[in-house]
Amino acid sequence: DVKVTQSSRYLVKRTGEKVFLECVQDMDHENMFWYRQDPGLGLRLIYFSYDVKMKEKGDIPEGYSVSREKKERFSLILESASTNQTSMYLCASSKQGLDEQFFGPGTRLTVL
Amino acid sequence: AQSVSQHNHHVILSEAASLELGCNYSYGGTVNLFWYVQYPGQHLQLLLKYFSGDPLVKGIKGFEAEFIKSKFSFNLRKPSVQWSDTAEYFCAVLNFNKFYFGSGTKLNVKP
Repeated sequence: DVKVTQSSRYLVKRTGEKVFLECVQDMDHENMFWYRQDPGLGLRLIYFSYDVKMKEKGDIPEGYSVSREKKERFSLILESASTNQTSMYLCASSKQGLDEQFFGPGTRLTVL
Repeated sequence: AQSVSQHNHHVILSEAASLELGCNYSYGGTVNLFWYVQYPGQHLQLLLKYFSGDPLVKGIKGFEAEFIKSKFSFNLRKPSVQWSDTAEYFCAVLNFNKFYFGSGTKLNVKP
């Protein structure tokens, strides 16, 4: 079974803090994705990566950055957390090409 | 603007009722289509997918979806829902290597 794990299920941070969300997949997938999920808005793509050290902006990259130093790990970074970044963050991975995504359990981030 | 639309935001059904959830998209060219489900407290998982061939696709747990190219639609159906189908359902489109998700439909099945 494909496994996508995220470092925390719940996280509480203060405004202005730097926040790291980690995602690891164990199926040697080339593609990895970060989404945020908000009620009534569905999933919105923040960043994605097709290969190590490669990244592309999604639909809402502002306020976020990412890092992919190893194939299995994709990190999302909030340089200076703000209250409007309170959300559920989902990581996903997929094989290269046209294929389904496999999702992690999500990290519910609250920024106070 | 290009989008994936799920017009039903919240659906309430009794057990054994039939289900149809609408999904329309506005992307041109070749698209691959998916339905994902998120049960309460669980992660998103794939219900079914359409890449090519027979436009009627069967997925897990008795779900099916029909791709109608002329209507840009990929509606999800189940003839008889169960209480365990209570979940949020997301339609997704893969277009030019990017995934686009609808806003989701919450299904509540009353026992």
